[in-house]
Amino acid sequence: DGGITQSPKYLFRKEGQNVTLSCEQNLNHDAMYWYRQDPGQGLRLIYYSQIVNDFQKGDIAEGYSVSREKKESFPLTVTSAQKNPTAFYLCASSRGTGAQPQHFGDGTRLSIL
Amino acid sequence: QKEVEQDPGPLSVPEGAIVSLNCTYSNSAFQYFMWYRQYSRKGPELLMYTYSSGNKEDGRFTAQVDKSSKYISLFIRDSQPSDSATYLCAIEATYNFNKFYFGSGTKLNVKP
Repeated sequence: DGGITQSPKYLFRKEGQNVTLSCEQNLNHDAMYWYRQDPGQGLRLIYYSQIVNDFQKGDIAEGYSVSREKKESFPLTVTSAQKNPTAFYLCASSRGTGAQPQHFGDGTRLSIL
Repeated sequence: QKEVEQDPGPLSVPEGAIVSLNCTYSNSAFQYFMWYRQYSRKGPELLMYTYSSGNKEDGRFTAQVDKSSKYISLFIRDSQPSDSATYLCAIEATYNFNKFYFGSGTKLNVKP
């Protein structure tokens, strides 16, 4: 079945540590996105990529980094500069960026040790 | 003013009730409207997608868009306990790289 796979499901970060969240899709979608979800808040866009080897900052990019070396993969690194990283992180993809709905993975919950 | 406003609930209804979930939005340039369902500890799942005013029906679900009032609704008929989830509205801004604006979600509980 086609879909978006996020791993790990749960992740713990120590102070001063960088951690990387994986996102893989086999939908042949061009565009991919990372969102952060906090209780009582809507999804906030961290980074997005419309094509391989290109990505742009979203609304809350500080303390995060991404890469897009392959069409299928869009990993997110939460750096030590992100002072409040505890959240539910969601990866999404869409066929393109033009009246195309986004499809989501099942998320990674990141917590601080 | 937020681009999209959604009542967080929680909304509790008995099984079989008709549920009405709503969002308002601020920008009349928005064109594409979606509803997602999110179960606890899962990612959002696309339920409905529409770009025009009026109604779109899919089984027990009806999405309604009123562009003149900047108001979108999702109706669930014959609600079931399995419908208990958080429902997110989303709007796509085609003028801004097709950015999505999400509501904060309404938590629905359908009691057996």
